[in-house]
Amino acid sequence: DVKVTQSSRYLVKRTGEKVFLECVQDMDHENMFWYRQDPGLGLRLIYFSYDVKMKEKGDIPEGYSVSREKKERFSLILESASTNQTSMYLCASSPGTGWGQYFGPGTRLTVT
Amino acid sequence: AQSVTQLDSQVPVFEEAPVELRCNYSSSVSVYLFWYVQYPNQGLQLLLKYLSGSTLVKGINGFEAEFNKSQTSFHLRKPSVHISDTAEYFCAVSSSVDSSYKLIFGSGTRLLVRP
Repeated sequence: DVKVTQSSRYLVKRTGEKVFLECVQDMDHENMFWYRQDPGLGLRLIYFSYDVKMKEKGDIPEGYSVSREKKERFSLILESASTNQTSMYLCASSPGTGWGQYFGPGTRLTVT
Repeated sequence: AQSVTQLDSQVPVFEEAPVELRCNYSSSVSVYLFWYVQYPNQGLQLLLKYLSGSTLVKGINGFEAEFNKSQTSFHLRKPSVHISDTAEYFCAVSSSVDSSYKLIFGSGTRLLVRP
């Protein structure tokens, strides 16, 4: 079974802090994704990566950056956390078109 | 570009009753279609997918969906629901003709199964 793990299930940070969310997949997938999920808005794509060191902006990249130094790991960085970044963050990986995406359990981030 | 509309934000239903969750999509190219389920405080789990071929697709947990190209719909059905089916369900679409691996998600439908 594909396993996607996220470093924390719950995280509380203060406004202005730098926040790192880590995601690891164990199936050698080329593609990895970061979403945020908010009530009534569904999932919105923040960034995705189709190869090591390669990244593309999604629909809502402002305030976020990403890093993919190894194939199995994809990190989401909030350079200076703000209260409007309080959300559920979901990581996913995919071997390619038509396979769908495999999701991690999510990190619920609260910024106070 | 693709878009997905889930017409119902919440669907209440009694246990053992049938249910249909509606999904319509918009796309100028051929698509792949997916349904995901999310239980409370968990990530998303793939229920089923349509890539090509038979328009009736069967998935896990007794769910099935029918692809209707003329109506650009991909509705999810289950003939008899259980309390444990209470969850949020997401319809998603991706292009089948380019190398984009992105999924476009609907806003979700919360299924509430009552005893």
